[in-house]
Formats: sequence, C-alpha cells, structure tokens
Amino acid sequence: GDSVTQMEGPVTLSEEAFLTINCTYTATGYPSLFWYVQYPGEGLQLLLKATKADDKGSNKGFEATYRKETTSFHLEKGSVQVSDSAVYFCALSDKSTGANSKLTFGKGITLSVRP
Amino acid sequence: ETGVTQSPTHLIKTRGQQVTLRCSSQSGHNTVSWYQQALGQGPQFIFQYYREEENGRGNFPPRFSGLQFPNYSSELNVNALELDDSALYLCASRGTTQETQYFGPGTRLLVL
Repeated sequence: GDSVTQMEGPVTLSEEAFLTINCTYTATGYPSLFWYVQYPGEGLQLLLKATKADDKGSNKGFEATYRKETTSFHLEKGSVQVSDSAVYFCALSDKSTGANSKLTFGKGITLSVRP
Repeated sequence: ETGVTQSPTHLIKTRGQQVTLRCSSQSGHNTVSWYQQALGQGPQFIFQYYREEENGRGNFPPRFSGLQFPNYSSELNVNALELDDSALYLCASRGTTQETQYFGPGTRLLVL
C-alpha cells in the first residue's frame, strides 16, 4: 500500500537557519504530493503541493521538488523564522485509486525555531 | 468564503458511549473526508463522502460510520467508544474537480 516516511524529529533551529525536512514515499500509480503544516491547537493547512514529476511547489519561502527517481519530496526553506515553529506533514494522494481524496500522511515532524 | 468548520471543538466521553461529530464543508465543496489523528501521529483516513454516499474507506471498523447531507455537511458517528478512539478528528472538503483538500480545525475527543 501507499506510505510516506518522514525523517525523525524533533528539529530545533536558530532563526535564519536553513531548513531541510526529508520525505520519501511509496505509491502505486502517479501520486500528487503535499506538505501540510499544523500550528499548535489548530487543524492542517496546505503549505504547498506538486502534482507530477519535477514540479516544484513553493509558498511562504518554502519549496519542495517532486523527485520521481528518488521518490522524494523534501521540504526546504532558506531562512526560518520563529513563526515557522509547527508540525510539518508530508502526504500523498494516489489519483489512481477510487477514493481519490484519500491522503496518506507521514508521522509529522515538529520544528522549533529559537530567536 | 467560509472555510471548513467543525463542532464541537472538544468532547469527553466514557468507554462504550456513542459520539457524533459534525462538519460543514467549505462553500462549493461537495466531497468530505474524515481523518483520525492520534497524539504524535499523522492523520489516518477514515472515509470519504460524495453526493451523500460513502465512496472510500480506510482501515476502520464498522462502528465508525458517517452521513452527508444535501448541503454537503457531514457527520461522523462512532459507536461503542474505546479508549484508543481518543484523538483529534479532522474533516476535510474539496470540490469535484479539485485535488487539494482543505481541513477544519478538528474535534478533540477524549474517551475515559
């Protein structure tokens, strides 16, 4: 079945540091890939997405490139801010399945940014 | 444009009881999905509703059931609650031609 693997956390960085959060996936078909962010006490917010190989999703300074050859979708940001502190989830949607709304999530990783 | 809303925000139940959670989808969205997020874990897909019918289900027992109404709002019902049902329950909606799902703030359920 489909699965998403995220690097182990938590991650603690100083403000303005470079961020990389690794994500790899296993899926049949041709999935779309997503990064969602969850701030404390809130639901999930879509951060960015990519729907096909070599697509780059970007938003709020975050970027991720859909790499089919390595089945990866790593999240990067050049300079993190304290306000980026949250839990980050990598997810996939396998368009080839009947329930094409189904998102398969990784376990999430907590990012803490120190001033 | 109104986003996805859920009620109640928090709920405490005892083992064996039944619970109903509610979700109003984002305006124009006709497909609703429900997810269970245990503490420290990623959300797990429960099921999806489209045009008032369930058309996809994850690995959850039949005591998890749902409804979708003509206005596309939805309910999640859980019977015979177990301690492991304690979690954040998330509702997400999307339009027919959209792939991106938009999530509500969730209902936090505690089963004692």
